[in-house]
Amino acid sequence: EAGVTQFPSHSVIEKGQTVTLRCDPISGHDNLYWYRRVMGKEIKFLLHFVKESKQDESGMPNNRFLAERTGGTYSTLKVQPAELEDSGVYFCASSPIGGVADTQYFGPGTRLTVL
Amino acid sequence: AQSVAQPEDQVNVAEGNPLTVKCTYSVSGNPYLFWYVQYPNRGLQFLLKYITGDNLVKGSYGFEAEFNKSQTSFHLKKPSALVSDSALYFCAVRDFPSNNNDMRFGAGTRLTVKP
Repeated sequence: EAGVTQFPSHSVIEKGQTVTLRCDPISGHDNLYWYRRVMGKEIKFLLHFVKESKQDESGMPNNRFLAERTGGTYSTLKVQPAELEDSGVYFCASSPIGGVADTQYFGPGTRLTVL
Repeated sequence: AQSVAQPEDQVNVAEGNPLTVKCTYSVSGNPYLFWYVQYPNRGLQFLLKYITGDNLVKGSYGFEAEFNKSQTSFHLKKPSALVSDSALYFCAVRDFPSNNNDMRFGAGTRLTVKP
């Protein structure tokens, strides 16, 4: 069974540019999460999809971030325009059931560097 | 709101010695606790979780963790460390009943096992 995949693995862009990150969850997993780790600090929750619907986007830092999950399959996270403080590693995770006890399976992450 | 602390940024142990990676938590309800490991250039891998029941939880790769309610701790342990255990370890907590999407992670502890 394929795990969670993310593309690209690395992205280097200049301030003001746009970047789109993609996440493909494990097949059949309705729940998809985005997290971010900035500057070696803790991993922070960004948002949660159940199928194509945003269940919780309370962790999204501002309106420069837009997440979508068309058709309830893969998800994209767009940053427009990117700022220096957006640099970090963006993780995607999926789970089959959801709920507090559910195990989330993480992708390898996308390392974003904004210059 | 829930929170997690990993008091050590770095833990160094010799191969064959026991290892402990510390984690303390704060919740308003009941904690659901998780340990993840990140190997170089890889995503977060699930190690183990505590939901309810036996306070000693056994997980992957010979790791175990002990839930201690009075000390609000969930330290990760292994009786005999391997060089291949060198990685970044993250503790995470969810608060039940609560918003089940918001899993809080610690800042991570880098474990180095020396031959």
